[in-house]
Amino acid sequence: GAVVSQHPSWVICKSGTSVKIECRSLDFQATTMFWYRQFPKQSLMLMATSNEGSKATYEQGVEKDKFLINHASLTLSTLTVTSAHPEDSSFYICSAREGGGRETQYFGPGTRLLVL
Amino acid sequence: GQNIDQPTEMTATEGAIVQINCTYQTSGFNGLFWYQQHAGEAPTFLSYNVLDGLEEKGRFSSFLSRSKGYSYLLLKELQMKDSASYLCAVKGNSGYALNFGKGTSLLVTP
Repeated sequence: GAVVSQHPSWVICKSGTSVKIECRSLDFQATTMFWYRQFPKQSLMLMATSNEGSKATYEQGVEKDKFLINHASLTLSTLTVTSAHPEDSSFYICSAREGGGRETQYFGPGTRLLVL
Repeated sequence: GQNIDQPTEMTATEGAIVQINCTYQTSGFNGLFWYQQHAGEAPTFLSYNVLDGLEEKGRFSSFLSRSKGYSYLLLKELQMKDSASYLCAVKGNSGYALNFGKGTSLLVTP
């Protein structure tokens, strides 16, 4: 299957700082990328949908000014958690959809964020 | 809205067969996915059903009935490494985003 990478795999930061997470599709061009958040023992919650070259579409309840998404190319999307607080500590996972009629989304390995 | 239900936990014995059910009530339907997720890792794609019927892939099979809003994932010849969470996800008519159920935690015992 297709490969999606995320960087960093984990990050610890102080409250109030910003953290950038990168999501890359390594062997295909991703028409659409998605950002999910997962709290312990809960399922994945979609945060936003990101299309290359256009603004991201955020799910209800997700602050677009706090979670900045940039999808600059067909292989890279970034999520920046601005002014992070302890309640933002979570497992952030991106996925990428190849497009061209292929419906499968491939997930990155996730980024574990801990805000102190 | 979207409502996707799966059992929270299941336990099965190594070598046995287990069936994990998923029922959904969604505003639109354009495919159902099953993913496997080990603790602390990202989900791994298992199967995709968009038409009614059974899709078989090695030890794993997935079934869909659109009229009943029902799917199941069948795991045969269970191995210890199959202990994981199994996520049912539905794609609606709007966009390509997936709506996930809460997942079924499967424990395979010796």
